[in-house]
Amino acid sequence: DSGVTQTPKHLITATGQRVTLRCSPRSGDLSVYWYQQSLDQGLQFLIQYYNGEERAKGNILERFSAQQFPDLHSELNLSSLELGDSALYFCASSARTSTDTQYFGPGTRLTVL
Amino acid sequence: AQKVTQAQTEISVVEKEDVTLDCVYETRDTTYYLFWYKQPPSGELVFLIRRNSFDEQNEISGRYSWNFQKSTSSFNFTITASQVVDSAVYFCALSELDSSYKLIFGSGTRLLVRP
Repeated sequence: DSGVTQTPKHLITATGQRVTLRCSPRSGDLSVYWYQQSLDQGLQFLIQYYNGEERAKGNILERFSAQQFPDLHSELNLSSLELGDSALYFCASSARTSTDTQYFGPGTRLTVL
Repeated sequence: AQKVTQAQTEISVVEKEDVTLDCVYETRDTTYYLFWYKQPPSGELVFLIRRNSFDEQNEISGRYSWNFQKSTSSFNFTITASQVVDSAVYFCALSELDSSYKLIFGSGTRLLVRP
């Protein structure tokens, strides 16, 4: 158990809908990262937050947004969902700087029908 | 451009065999970090090891060992006396300043250990 929690574990929804994925980092970690794992794109970095502020952005679609709250938990919002958004979404956290090891949560499997 | 290549898509071995998973990386940074993660069938990503670019010492942890060679830009992972529980997808990843230290993953190697 990495200490990173993600909810829900599974999510099934329809095209055009909006969903929110939640992540709680390990106790004491200030950085949160979101990654998407899909069959065609592999594991890809989406976005990073550090102590409430956006720190780095990757291949995140405009339909996706994220935030990190004062208690350090993070949410990834996915809207206007398309079939291609079906994937495993991971959250990871690290202690302080971006050079620290990232520990991953169990992931949220999103299925868009 | 930064890149991680895991050329072996799938490897199948019989229990107790030794197996080496290859990882080749590309980076222009002089300071970078390399990682291995394991993804068992249950789906989570489990951290195995992290090395920085200034530490080329090989590392051994139980049945696992890692060979880091800057001269060939490789960071290979060997499992000695493999066990069925080692069956998983293994990912090599690179983290560097140029990419804001996000993890750049290889495509993964699926290891199947047969009894």
